[in-house]
Amino acid sequence: EPEVTQTPSHQVTQMGQEVILRCVPISNHLYFYWYRQILGQKVEFLVSFYNNEISEKSEIFDDQFSVERPDGSNFTLKIRSTKLEDSAMYFCASSEAISGDYNEQFFGPGTRLTVL
Amino acid sequence: GIQVEQSPPDLILQEGANSTLRCNFSDSVNNLQWFHQNPWGQLINLFYIPSGTKQNGRLSATTVATERYSLLYISSSQTTDSGVYFCAPRGDNQGGKLIFGQGTELSVKP
Repeated sequence: EPEVTQTPSHQVTQMGQEVILRCVPISNHLYFYWYRQILGQKVEFLVSFYNNEISEKSEIFDDQFSVERPDGSNFTLKIRSTKLEDSAMYFCASSEAISGDYNEQFFGPGTRLTVL
Repeated sequence: GIQVEQSPPDLILQEGANSTLRCNFSDSVNNLQWFHQNPWGQLINLFYIPSGTKQNGRLSATTVATERYSLLYISSSQTTDSGVYFCAPRGDNQGGKLIFGQGTELSVKP
């Protein structure tokens, strides 16, 4: 069964460093998302992406964050200068559509980011 | 935006018991998903259920969209059911994002 994959599974970085989290969505999906979960808290939406541009972003997704689909398979989240409060689990998700019967979102296993 | 409330926040069960988890939401929705977060932090899709009832083995879910709630039933619980259960609806005219509830933490004791 197709699945969303994410790398790395765990990333440790120093405050102020740049990190890139990578995702490979399900191949026939057109909509891509990033969510994050700070330890012990609920999952929060960061950004959605369709047709090579951001379609929606939350207040968390400030200028330190960016997303890119550099090729036909990868979808990346970049944090330019990490802060301690960026430590969280980051989930990538994808869906075939945004409405109708095919808008179920499938989540990857997550990347646990630790900022020291 | 849509508000999501899950109850109970915590639940302890003996193996073999049944349970019902509830999710209330404040606006009309066009998508609702239930997830199980396992001890490794992975989000496992349980149900995509914007309306109606679905069953998958010992689990079933019902969403009554007109009354703005969804229920997840777990029957004959097993220790492997332990973890956090999240409800995540998507509001009409709210773009593509899912809005997660705070979750119900379930612990099933042998």
